[in-house]
Amino acid sequence: KQEVTQIPAALSVPEGENLVLNCSFTDSAIYNLQWFRQDPGKGLTSLLLIQSSQREQTSGRLNASLDKSSGRSTLYIAASQPGDSATYLCAVQHKAAGNKLTFGGGTRVLVKP
Amino acid sequence: SAVISQKPSRDICQRGTSLTIQCQVDSQVTMMFWYRQQPGQSLTLIATANQGSEATYESGFVIDKFPISRPNLTFSTLTVSNMSPEDSSIYLCSVGPGTGTEAFFGQGTRLTVV
Repeated sequence: KQEVTQIPAALSVPEGENLVLNCSFTDSAIYNLQWFRQDPGKGLTSLLLIQSSQREQTSGRLNASLDKSSGRSTLYIAASQPGDSATYLCAVQHKAAGNKLTFGGGTRVLVKP
Repeated sequence: SAVISQKPSRDICQRGTSLTIQCQVDSQVTMMFWYRQQPGQSLTLIATANQGSEATYESGFVIDKFPISRPNLTFSTLTVSNMSPEDSSIYLCSVGPGTGTEAFFGQGTRLTVV
């Protein structure tokens, strides 16, 4: 059974610092890994999708890496801003589960001005 | 990408009543997914809804409690029946992923049962 873990569960940084969010998964037979942002009480916004054949994806200040063999992904957010405060979730689409996603528990981020 | 409109965005309901949540997609999709997010928790898949067939429910979720309709390729509803305070959660609909493609989510419905 695929298990997805995100550490730390919460993170607080001063504005301008770089953020490093970790996601690990137990079964490396995945199609892809996706990072999402969730604001309090709201839905999920897709940030980055990394295919299993890729090692990283970049979008603006966001960079996500994937090491499938070790079951790890890292989301880097450069020069954090108070508007980056949110919960960040990773999810994997693993081959044994068809089109279903398995989510991590999320990392709650607070960027202090 | 897909744009998903979910209604209502929030509601406060009395215990014992039912609430129907609507999910509209701006393009035709084969599969739609319904998730529950309990307070402080991550997302749990309730069921997968295919057009023209009955929804497939995950372990711990039953059709009598969470009936789902999927009348066409752009629309689905989830009903939360005979609600109790334990049903207070955010409910989200999603489209995708297809194999290897991106998943998109609606804005969520924040349900409080009193």
